[in-house]
Amino acid sequence: GQQVMQIPQYQHVQEGEDFTTYCNSSTTLSNIQWYKQRPGGHPVFLIQLVKSGEVKKQKRLTFQFGEAKKNSSLHITATQTTDVGTYFCAGVSGGYQKVTFGTGTKLQVIP
Amino acid sequence: GAVVSQHPSRVICKSGTSVKIECRSLDFQATTMFWYRQFPKQSLMLMATSNEGSKATYEQGVEKDKFLINHASLTLSTLTVTSAHPEDSSFYICSAEVSYNEQFFGPGTRLTVL
Repeated sequence: GQQVMQIPQYQHVQEGEDFTTYCNSSTTLSNIQWYKQRPGGHPVFLIQLVKSGEVKKQKRLTFQFGEAKKNSSLHITATQTTDVGTYFCAGVSGGYQKVTFGTGTKLQVIP
Repeated sequence: GAVVSQHPSRVICKSGTSVKIECRSLDFQATTMFWYRQFPKQSLMLMATSNEGSKATYEQGVEKDKFLINHASLTLSTLTVTSAHPEDSSFYICSAEVSYNEQFFGPGTRLTVL
């Protein structure tokens, strides 16, 4: 079945440093979504990327979808303590548009 | 954005009992809702897709007779964990599809089976 892996699994950064998480799918995706889950909370939808090579920005967050539509990345510029949480990518594929969540990257920001 | 609620937020039950979890879309109608399970420090695993007015579609390995799903209206889906055992203890999260592949998640239900 489809697998979606994320690296790194954990990342500790000093406040103000940049952070990037990478998402890789075993199969070609129709689109990819990103979610943020705060400790003890539920996943919150951040963005959806559909087109090959697409780049979208949300303030300090930059999302990219690979040309082959099998990988994606989330980059946070100048992290803040409010960025703490686990970031999940979710790949959508197949005729039934099944959503498969990635393994997640837990971000810890040190003040 | 769209709001999805879940009830209860926490439940502790004895082994062998059944537990019902409700998922409601508060300000929109959801033809499709999803049920996920999340183990500590792990990702979300899709259990089943719930479609209003029809039978749920279960993922491979998920026992449909153990995890009963009912989507009786466009704003309510329920998940019943039947004859719960300690290994069913987990965080259960529902989501509702708002638009093409855009989901809003409920706050989750933490189930502890003693």
